Amino acid sequence: GAVVSQHPSWVICKSGTSVKIECRSLDFQATTMFWYRQFPKQSLMLMATSNEGSKATYEQGVEKDKFLINHASLTLSTLTVTSAHPEDSSFYICSASPAGRYTDTQYFGPGTRLTVL
Amino acid sequence: GNSVTQMEGPVTLSEEAFLTINCTYTATGYPSLFWYVQYPGEGLQLLLKATKADDKGSNKGFEATYRKETTSFHLEKGSVQVSDSAVYFCALRKLSGTSYGKLTFGQGTILTVHP
Repeated sequence: GAVVSQHPSWVICKSGTSVKIECRSLDFQATTMFWYRQFPKQSLMLMATSNEGSKATYEQGVEKDKFLINHASLTLSTLTVTSAHPEDSSFYICSASPAGRYTDTQYFGPGTRLTVL
Repeated sequence: GNSVTQMEGPVTLSEEAFLTINCTYTATGYPSLFWYVQYPGEGLQLLLKATKADDKGSNKGFEATYRKETTSFHLEKGSVQVSDSAVYFCALRKLSGTSYGKLTFGQGTILTVHP
């Protein structure tokens, strides 16, 4: 149980286009979902926290207009990278906390590799 | 702010060797401490955790003790297996007014175990 999926697992796009990444909790409802970014040989950096039905809370330095997060249901959150540029190339990871559970329980997706040409 | 520092990898060991991956943290108050493991192609999985000083987290033969006096949470295993090859992340969580469930991660340590 407690499986989180991400789609796509990898994506290549041209500079200036937008890319949407989905994060789904497959067998539980997630009140809170988190989006992280991971650079090579570096730690995961929290980008934003999203709660179902409300606006995401972005970490300092993360452009909310560039990284659009939507948490429309208790099983789905999406991250859209708008007008992507090569510096946005990275590994994006989501995690989800089950509804009714304290948010120190997070289940992680396998990640999405984004390459912007 | 909060931060976590792990020993740099990669770490390469032979099967049945003893493993230590050092982790130290900086945080005010009393954070909870975690070790996560990421196997190739999979998401991070919680390996063990400790929520207060002197607690010992353990799972699958791995152990880590929350040492407040040295602000450390070193991961140890007495006899590693090839299947333990993965990336290991140390992390902390500290509640504050705007940080519910927010995890701060170390940079990760790649472990490779050879037969």
